[in-house]
Amino acid sequence: GQQVMQIPQYQHVQEGEDFTTYCNSSTTLSNIQWYKQRPGGHPVFLIQLVKSGEVKKQKRLTFQFGEAKKNSSLHITATQTTDVGTYFCADTRGSQGNLIFGKGTKLSVKP
Amino acid sequence: KAGVTQTPRYLIKTRGQQVTLSCSPISGHRSVSWYQQTPGQGLQFLFEYFSETQRNKGNFPGRFSGRQFSNSRSEMNVSTLELGDSALYLCASSGISVAVETQYFGPGTRLLVL
Repeated sequence: GQQVMQIPQYQHVQEGEDFTTYCNSSTTLSNIQWYKQRPGGHPVFLIQLVKSGEVKKQKRLTFQFGEAKKNSSLHITATQTTDVGTYFCADTRGSQGNLIFGKGTKLSVKP
Repeated sequence: KAGVTQTPRYLIKTRGQQVTLSCSPISGHRSVSWYQQTPGQGLQFLFEYFSETQRNKGNFPGRFSGRQFSNSRSEMNVSTLELGDSALYLCASSGISVAVETQYFGPGTRLLVL
């Protein structure tokens, strides 16, 4: 079935450094949603990208959807310890309630 | 608005037993989805219910089943438990429209099968 590949699996950064996680698919993605899961917590919705080439920003977070809708990225500028957690991308497959998740990128931030 | 609630939060069972997990969605939400999260396989979609009907189903064996009630509360059942069923089971609810929307996840039920 359709898979969503996410890299890197782990990322360790010094506080203040930037961080980027990438989401790729061999087939065209429907819509991309990004979630954050804190250690011991549950996934929390961050944003949804719908249009080819779309770029959205939330404070220090920048989300991009590729022109061919086969990849997406999340970039965090000047990481803080509160950014710690696992970031997941998910393809909506055009159907509500059926998300195909990437394996996630676990971010740790050293103060 | 109260968030998605799941009960129980933790559960220990032995192989061969069955288990029922419960999920109460956000008030007004009609779609409830279930996911299994394990360190090895990540987050995997189990099934989705909308207005008491199963609308989507993932690639899990028939031991995994679910249902939704008229008040949108949902239950999932796993029969003949196996060690590999140990996981965090998350349910998520989403809004009243048919468009793709935000999924609001509950805190999960952590199941350990011994």
